[in-house]
Amino acid sequence: NAGVTQTPKFQVLKTGQSMTLQCAQDMNHEYMSWYRQDPGMGLRLIHYSVGAGITDQGEVPNGYNVSRSTTEDFPLRLLSAAPSQTSVYFCASSYSGVGANVLTFGAGSRLTVL
Amino acid sequence: DQQVKQNSPSLSVQEGRISILNCDYTNSMFDYFLWYKKYPAEGPTFLISISSIKDKNEDGRFTVFLNKSAKHLSLHIVPSQPGDSAVYFCAAAGLNDYKLSFGAGTTVTVRA
Repeated sequence: NAGVTQTPKFQVLKTGQSMTLQCAQDMNHEYMSWYRQDPGMGLRLIHYSVGAGITDQGEVPNGYNVSRSTTEDFPLRLLSAAPSQTSVYFCASSYSGVGANVLTFGAGSRLTVL
Repeated sequence: DQQVKQNSPSLSVQEGRISILNCDYTNSMFDYFLWYKKYPAEGPTFLISISSIKDKNEDGRFTVFLNKSAKHLSLHIVPSQPGDSAVYFCAAAGLNDYKLSFGAGTTVTVRA
């Protein structure tokens, strides 16, 4: 049982480059989300999806794009990387929403933007 | 503006003693409160939760207390063990929310 799988684990980008962080889950969860973790800031929600074809913005969506074409996959795209996007990114999923439903997190993707 | 606050960035405790982690929130619409535990180079994992209709929830060595009037919750770990050394995040959401709000985290170090 793989759970939530994130790739790559590490990535270094130059300012202005674009890339996609991949996230896949095999638990048939409807809800998927992306967080970023920064020192002293905790985990902040970037984007989330409540099902295939449905996405919405979280707390810090600027500079990021998402789509959800299948239940299993929820990629996060950085359109033009900036040093402020240096962070650790976590993908998380749950059966349906948050609060009463526990989130299952991936192992994280560490991104450095030079 | 952070709606969930953990004002203690770190906590050091001796093995066998009690660890008490505190969390304050500002949004009175929150209905569920959760604690997640995170080891280095891993994703957070769920530890324990409590709904707003309760004031205490216990699971083995872990107990969460909720004081709604003070908008405060705490996590007690008794007894603390070396494997408990990790970052602990407090989180909260409303009943039908799709957004989980996290605190900044408290790093717990259990000394042998």
